[in-house]
Amino acid sequence: DAGVTQSPTHLIKTRGQQVTLRCSPKSGHDTVSWYQQALGQGPQFIFQYYEEEERQRGNFPDRFSGHQFPNYSSELNVNALLLGDSALYLCASSLGGGEGMNTEAFFGQGTRLTVV
Amino acid sequence: GQNIDQPTEMTATEGAIVQINCTYQTSGFNGLFWYQQHAGEAPTFLSYNVLDGLEEKGRFSSFLSRSKGYSYLLLKELQMKDSASYLCAVRRGRRALTFGSGTRLQVQP
Repeated sequence: DAGVTQSPTHLIKTRGQQVTLRCSPKSGHDTVSWYQQALGQGPQFIFQYYEEEERQRGNFPDRFSGHQFPNYSSELNVNALLLGDSALYLCASSLGGGEGMNTEAFFGQGTRLTVV
Repeated sequence: GQNIDQPTEMTATEGAIVQINCTYQTSGFNGLFWYQQHAGEAPTFLSYNVLDGLEEKGRFSSFLSRSKGYSYLLLKELQMKDSASYLCAVRRGRRALTFGSGTRLQVQP
């Protein structure tokens, strides 16, 4: 049973460019949440997708957008990259879109994005 | 909003017991989670508390006091492999998790 998989594992981009990160949730899960983790900090919630719609959003600008596909996989897009966007981007999968008492979120290994 | 505070760093000796504290301020509390994260790896789930009291799971235990906005993670019989960051996270209502900055634990021989 594959867990949460993310691609790519590492990425280097230039300021102003756009990037797309991908996530496949754990088998049987239908909800995907994206987090940004700066070095030495805890993960910060970006947004959550359930039933192909953005259900919740953290305090991130519109440059951060996403998508969820019918197979529950998800993409995170970041436009007009800034140096401060350099971080580990984590995807977490769970069940029920936050409506139920889903008590555990499984995290992927993350994508390390470096903006130069 | 939510404030979650935990110590930045802790050091303990192999075989000993260590307690990592977490305090939080939030409305609509709906559960507190502890995750372990080794450097360069994904966070892995350790424990979940939604009611007051102690939850024990092998060498790891987690305690919650909702009235005090306080939780701790207790690690017994420390092993070198327990050196990692420990993340406290709070769920508010049906919202996604809000994490603290994490506590980096160094286990020494």
